[in-house]
Amino acid sequence: GAVVSQHPSRVICKSGTSVKIECRSLDFQATTMFWYRQFPKKSLMLMATSNEGSKATYEQGVEKDKFLINHASLTLSTLTVTSAHPEDSSFYICSASESRGGLETQYFGPGTRLLVL
Amino acid sequence: GNSVTQMEGPVTLSEEAFLTINCTYTATGYPSLFWYVQYPGEGLQLLLKATKADDKGSNKGFEATYRKETTSFHLEKGSVQVSDSAVYFCALRSGANSKLTFGKGITLSVRP
Repeated sequence: GAVVSQHPSRVICKSGTSVKIECRSLDFQATTMFWYRQFPKKSLMLMATSNEGSKATYEQGVEKDKFLINHASLTLSTLTVTSAHPEDSSFYICSASESRGGLETQYFGPGTRLLVL
Repeated sequence: GNSVTQMEGPVTLSEEAFLTINCTYTATGYPSLFWYVQYPGEGLQLLLKATKADDKGSNKGFEATYRKETTSFHLEKGSVQVSDSAVYFCALRSGANSKLTFGKGITLSVRP
């Protein structure tokens, strides 16, 4: 089946530093990838939609200069949290969209837990 | 706009009990409906899906039927196991874009 990986799975960083999270579709090509943020005991909040070779589309209220998204190939998207602060601590999840037989399904990565000290 | 409403949780059941998790939706057009499961410490996994009215999605003993007349997609399992303990999210996708709209999720705990 379709597999999406994320790296790293956990990261701890100091306030003010930048952190890069990678999302890869391992066995399929994904023209569209999504980045979500999940707060404790809350649903997933869509941050942005990333299309290969073009600029990401950010949801309202998400700072594009703080959360930099790059989708350089059909199997890789990266999210960089710039100048991270403790309030950026969260669980970040990516998903990749696979189209098969005219049907589109999103497959999710295992998530990256970010802790900013 | 699109929205998904799930019943309030958490839900605690004994092993082999019957499970129903309610999900209703509001959407424009004809959405596709999904149930995702998130096991502790992991990302979301697609559990089942249905793309049109009266379709039944099923997987791992779980079932959900797309009911257009009641705008519902309730998740059911006849006999839950301890390993089913997880957070369950109902979601929909509607329109030309690929965005998913999620419900708040509900935590299921199954006791031995």
